[in-house]
Amino acid sequence: QVQLQESGPGLVKPSGTLALTCTVSGDSITSNNWWSWVRQPPGKGLEWIGEMHHSGNTNDNPSLKSRLTMSVDKSKNEFSLKLSSVTAADTAVYYCAAASGKRLNNWGQGTLVTVSP
Amino acid sequence: EIVLTQSPGTLSLSPGERATLSCRASQSVRSNYLTWHQQKPGQAPRLLIYGASSRATGIPDRFSGSGSGTDFTLTISRLEPEDFAVYYCQQYGSSPYTFGQGTKLQI
Repeated sequence: QVQLQESGPGLVKPSGTLALTCTVSGDSITSNNWWSWVRQPPGKGLEWIGEMHHSGNTNDNPSLKSRLTMSVDKSKNEFSLKLSSVTAADTAVYYCAAASGKRLNNWGQGTLVTVSP
Repeated sequence: EIVLTQSPGTLSLSPGERATLSCRASQSVRSNYLTWHQQKPGQAPRLLIYGASSRATGIPDRFSGSGSGTDFTLTISRLEPEDFAVYYCQQYGSSPYTFGQGTKLQI
């Protein structure tokens, strides 16, 4: 069973860069999973951010594309998200997930990131 | 981008009753690549159904999914107390893989 754990700062200043890492256990980052990010603003619904395969292929949400960078670190068995020029609208719980056949099979527990001065 | 509209927004039922949740897509979902996720307060979502009608590992058979094209349904045959949660549909046939806004199932 794949297990995922998000980590990163819980507070980011406006106009700064949000950076999160997801550590994977129980599976290799070089498997055929697509490594995904989803976010959920407080009290609201889920928003798909994007996904990355270890080969380097990515798919992402056009609404975030210009600010989004995703990467995979094979040596550490982890993948990362960077979102630049953040505003209060980026405040959310950020989830990482493993997608097998593109479906989100396994989720991390989520981490709250607040954008505030 | 495919827009998913879930109805109703809130569904009030009692344990033992049958629940029917709807998810309608703005255009046909490729290969019926549609999932249903359950989310309880303070928890991450959990995959229930994929491919519109296949149960994920460990999901009780009281949960069933149906539909194709643009209209999909999640049915819970006999509600258990632990089933009261928010349910989201998501399509993964066309990027961006959009979610519906959710249906809250409450007692």
